[in-house]
Amino acid sequence: QSALTQPASVSGSPGQSITISCTGTSSDVGAYNYVSWYLQHPGKAPKLMIYDVSNRPSGVSNRFSGSKSGSTASLTISGLQAEDEADYYCSSATTSRSTEVVFGGGTKLTVL
Amino acid sequence: EVQLLESGGGLVQPGGSLRLSCAASGFTFSSYAMSWVRQAPGKGLEWVSAISGSGGSLYYADSVKGRFTISRDSSKNTLYLQMNSLRAEDMAIYYCAKDFTSSPSYYLDDWGQGTLVTVSS
Repeated sequence: QSALTQPASVSGSPGQSITISCTGTSSDVGAYNYVSWYLQHPGKAPKLMIYDVSNRPSGVSNRFSGSKSGSTASLTISGLQAEDEADYYCSSATTSRSTEVVFGGGTKLTVL
Repeated sequence: EVQLLESGGGLVQPGGSLRLSCAASGFTFSSYAMSWVRQAPGKGLEWVSAISGSGGSLYYADSVKGRFTISRDSSKNTLYLQMNSLRAEDMAIYYCAKDFTSSPSYYLDDWGQGTLVTVSS
C-alpha cells in the first residue's frame, strides 16, 4: 500500500483536459510544498514533470500544471495528446521517520 | 547531455549480495546528490537511498536500512549500492537518479535505464 493515494486510472480524448489527484496526509503532502510528479512510459525510466507543487523543469510542456489544496495535490494535463498516455506518479517529502520521500501508487492515463 | 548507466543487476539467492553501479557523465558529478529508486515488477516507485554530492550525508528507507549501503566515487563519477541479505521483496528494477541540488531535494531530474535485480532460489 502506497503512502500517497492516486486513482488507478484516468482517461480522456485528445484535446481534452484531465486531472490526476494525489491524496496524502498532514505528514507529507499537507506538511510541505515539496510535491513532484513523474511520467513513465512503459519500459522506460520516469521523467520529472512538476516539482515544488507547480513548477515545470525546463523542456516540460506548459500543458502540464500542478496544484495543491490541503493534503491533496493535483496534476492537470490540458490539450491531451497521444504521447501523454503513460503512468503518472506523485511524490512528496514526508515527516515519516521510515523514509525521506513517499510516492503514490501511480495512475495509468489512457488517451482514447 | 546527462547520462546515467546502471550495471550489476542479476539473479541472486535469498540472503545473497549484489553491488550495483551507476556510471555518470555529462555533469559535474560531485555537485549533485544522487538517489536509488526501485520498482518491483508491475508496481510503483519506491525510494531506496540517497547520498549528498560530497558523499558526507547518507539516507536510507527503513526497508533497506542496515542491509544496503550507498556510496559514490567522484574520481570515477560512479554511484554504488551495496546490497546484502537480499530478500524476495527486494526484487525490482533499480534506477539511479540525479537530484536537483547537492543536498537531496528528492527532485530527480535525470534517471538511468535501470538494472533488474532478481532474488530467487
